[in-house]
Amino acid sequence: DAKTTQPPSMDCAEGRAANLPCNHSTISGNEYVYWYRQIHSQGPQYIIHGLKNNETNEMASLIITEDRKSSTLILPHATLRDTAVYYCIVRSRNSGAGSYQLTFGKGTKLSVIP
Amino acid sequence: DGGITQSPKYLFRKEGQNVTLSCEQNLNHDAMYWYRQDPGQGLRLIYYSQIVNDFQKGDIAEGYSVSREKKESFPLTVTSAQKNPTAFYLCASSIDNSGNSYNEQFFGPGTRLTVL
Repeated sequence: DAKTTQPPSMDCAEGRAANLPCNHSTISGNEYVYWYRQIHSQGPQYIIHGLKNNETNEMASLIITEDRKSSTLILPHATLRDTAVYYCIVRSRNSGAGSYQLTFGKGTKLSVIP
Repeated sequence: DGGITQSPKYLFRKEGQNVTLSCEQNLNHDAMYWYRQDPGQGLRLIYYSQIVNDFQKGDIAEGYSVSREKKESFPLTVTSAQKNPTAFYLCASSIDNSGNSYNEQFFGPGTRLTVL
C-alpha cells in the first residue's frame, strides 16, 4: 500500500472549517483513500473514503486532486468534540492475502480551540 | 445494541505471565483484526482473521497468539515471549471479506495492558 504523509499537528478555531491535508504521491490506480480519526484513548472511527471523485457524508468532505497524489479532509464546522488524531490511509481493494489490512501512520493531531 | 466489545478496559499483569484479551462482536462481521498502539504512534497489525477457523499473521505477530473458533469472538493471547507487551490493544471487525467492499473497520474501545 502507498505511504502517506500528514502534518503532525494542526489547530482550528471552533466553528471554522478544518482542512487536513494528506500527500500520497505513490498512490496507484486501484488504491482508495480512507480517513479515520481517533479520539484520545478510544478506538479509531471511520470517517470517509474515496477513489478519485470528491465525496461528502454527514461527517466530512473528501477532496482528492485530479492527479490523486494528495487529498484534503474537510470538517466544515469544527467542534471541540472533533479534537482527535486523524489518519489518512491508502489501500487497495484487490482481494488476496493481506488485502484487508489498514496501515495507520502517526496521523495529524487536530486541536479545536474554543 | 450492535457493536464490538473488548474487556477489560484496563489490565495489569506480572512479567512472565500469559494474558488473554477478549474481543466480541455481534455485527455478524466475517473479518476481525487485532492492532497494537504505543504512545504517540499509529496502529500496527498483530493478527487478522477473514473467516472462522482461519487467521493470518500481521506485521508484529511474534509473542502473540489468536484463535477464531466462533464468528463473533477473536481472543488475543499475549505470551511471555512478547518482549514489550505494555500497550493499548485494539480489536476491529469488518463486514465483508470478499475484498470488494470498502472495508470499513469498526473498532472496539480497546484494552490498555500494563505489565509490571
